[in-house]
This record gives sequence, structure tokens and C-alpha cells, in this order.
Amino acid sequence: GEDVEQSLFLSVREGDSSVINCTYTDSSSTYLYWYKQEPGAGLQLLTYIFSNMDMKQDQRLTVLLNKKDKHLSLRIADTQTGDSAIYFCAESLTGRRALTFGSGTRLQVQP
Amino acid sequence: GAVVSQHPSRVICKSGTSVKIECRSLDFQATTMFWYRQFPKKSLMLMATSNEGSKATYEQGVEKDKFLINHASLTLSTLTVTSAHPEDSSFYICSARKGTGVPSNTGELFFGEGSRLTVL
Repeated sequence: GEDVEQSLFLSVREGDSSVINCTYTDSSSTYLYWYKQEPGAGLQLLTYIFSNMDMKQDQRLTVLLNKKDKHLSLRIADTQTGDSAIYFCAESLTGRRALTFGSGTRLQVQP
Repeated sequence: GAVVSQHPSRVICKSGTSVKIECRSLDFQATTMFWYRQFPKKSLMLMATSNEGSKATYEQGVEKDKFLINHASLTLSTLTVTSAHPEDSSFYICSARKGTGVPSNTGELFFGEGSRLTVL
């Protein structure tokens, strides 16, 4: 079945690295995504990874995928106060056009 | 990148009234749009898939007579919350698909800014 889980809250200091984790249960995931939601706003796609990849790096963002363990992570290097937001992981499944989202992780960056 | 706009961004209404939320793809045609509902500190819950020119496909547990979806054109889908109740208060987000394949890159699935509905 579809089940995407994330921890609810993460607090880091400015300049540190943040690692947000996500687990999923459906092995038919084709793509996995990370979205950012700032207060009162819609979702902004940060990055995505194809399910046959292990890692993807995009500037300060690094996505790691462990398909065997069904574990996805997002690492934000040199975290800034502007990175404070809710981060959602999401998956797209074979034969399903909509994305399935995790519950979101609220990242708080302390100065 | 492509733009999806929702209107209104905030709406307050009385119990028993109906509220319409619009989702527009401003610079591309979207044959498919999705409506999500987000509860506080919760994930986005897919409500329905809106298909241009045909009936929407509702997820299990979503009342189609309460949440009316119309996708009359390739750039506009509307969600009407009928006989609104305080428990309908939520953040509603639409997303629009550009193209027809799997949302595999930044160019294919775009989200609106969301509409916050408060029912008094």
C-alpha cells in the first residue's frame, strides 16, 4: 500500500547541515521528490530522483536513496534561516498519476 | 517555470454556504489537475483528480456531492465546497500536470499557492 513517513520536526543551527529523512513502503515507486512549503504558501519542487539512482546532488541539496531499505533523505548543506519551512517527500507510483506525500518535516533553523 | 494560480488565496464563509476555488494554469494547458487538502501539521491528502472534459475521479472517502469539481477548460479547474461546515476549514492546494507522462521532472507538475478556507 501507499505509506510515506517522515519525522515531524528538525531543528538545526545556521551553517550546519540538515538531514531530513523519509521512508516509503511501495516498491513500485518510479520517482521520489522533495518539496518545500513556506508558511501559507503552496509547494515548491526542490529536487527529485529516479528510483534507479542512489544519489543526486544539486548545489546545497543532496538526495540519497536506499531502495533496498526504502529510505530517502535530503541533506541541506550550510543551512540558512531562509531554509526554515516544511519539507515533504513524495513518490510517484507506476500507474498512478498523482503523487503520494509524506506528513512533512518542519525544519527550524536557529541563528 | 510554469505557473499555477489559485483564487482566492483566503476565504471566510458562513456555515451552509458554498465556496468556489479556482485553479488556473497560466501558461500551459493542463489536461489533468489534482486537488489536495492539507490539515494542520498533516500531509497533503489527495481529494480528486480533475480531468478536462470528463468527470473527476474522487479518492475513497471524499464526498463528490460535497466537493464539486469542474474542469471545463484546459486551463481551469474549480473546486466548490457545498454546504460548508466548520470541519471543511482547511488549506486546499491544486496541482496541474503539464504533458501526459509521469511527473518525472521539474517541468511537468506544478502546484498552486493554496487556498485557505475558514468556515464559521
